[in-house]
Amino acid sequence: AQSVTQLGSHVSVSEGALVLLRCNYSSSVPPYLFWYVQYPNQGLQLLLKYTSAATLVKGINGFEAEFKKSETSFHLTKPSAHMSDAAEYFCAVTLPNTGGFKTIFGAGTRLFVKA
Amino acid sequence: GAVVSQHPSWVICKSGTSVKIECRSLDFQATTMFWYRQFPKQSLMLMATSNEGSKATYEQGVEKDKFLINHASLTLSTLTVTSAHPEDSSFYICSAPGRGDEQYFGPGTRLTVT
Repeated sequence: AQSVTQLGSHVSVSEGALVLLRCNYSSSVPPYLFWYVQYPNQGLQLLLKYTSAATLVKGINGFEAEFKKSETSFHLTKPSAHMSDAAEYFCAVTLPNTGGFKTIFGAGTRLFVKA
Repeated sequence: GAVVSQHPSWVICKSGTSVKIECRSLDFQATTMFWYRQFPKQSLMLMATSNEGSKATYEQGVEKDKFLINHASLTLSTLTVTSAHPEDSSFYICSAPGRGDEQYFGPGTRLTVT
């Protein structure tokens, strides 16, 4: 069965430090993988996506993620954290569904950024 | 980019009443929309897939008679929570698919049932 696992429900970094949010997936078909960010009381915003092109994907706000098939991972990184990066981050995988597709989300990782 | 709106953004209702939440695609047409439920500090759980002109497809464990979905046009899907109870209090988010299987999410509706 397809699934998404995010390691660490909370991650805390200092401003300017590296951000690393981990995501592992399980899929029986080549996956489409996504990272979304959610600010309090808001919907989700797409950060970046992997759709079988380049394995290193660059997104908005300086984030990037690398698809590693051998490790079934799609970890999200940012070289230098900003206070504005504090939010909830969700890794997701889409899979075929009757008449289209559906998305499975990981449990989410809350990022805290310390001054 | 594509915009999805939801109305209302926050609603408080009394137990036993029904509440309707609207999801609109503002600058594109959506034959399919998704409805999610998110409890505090938890992930999004897909409730149902709304299909324009046909019945919605509900995920296992979701009561279709309690969560009525109507996708009457290519830009509007509605979710009605019937006979709401406090345990229905949650954050409801809709989305519509874009290109490459990504989704455009609405800002969410916070439902509080007293």
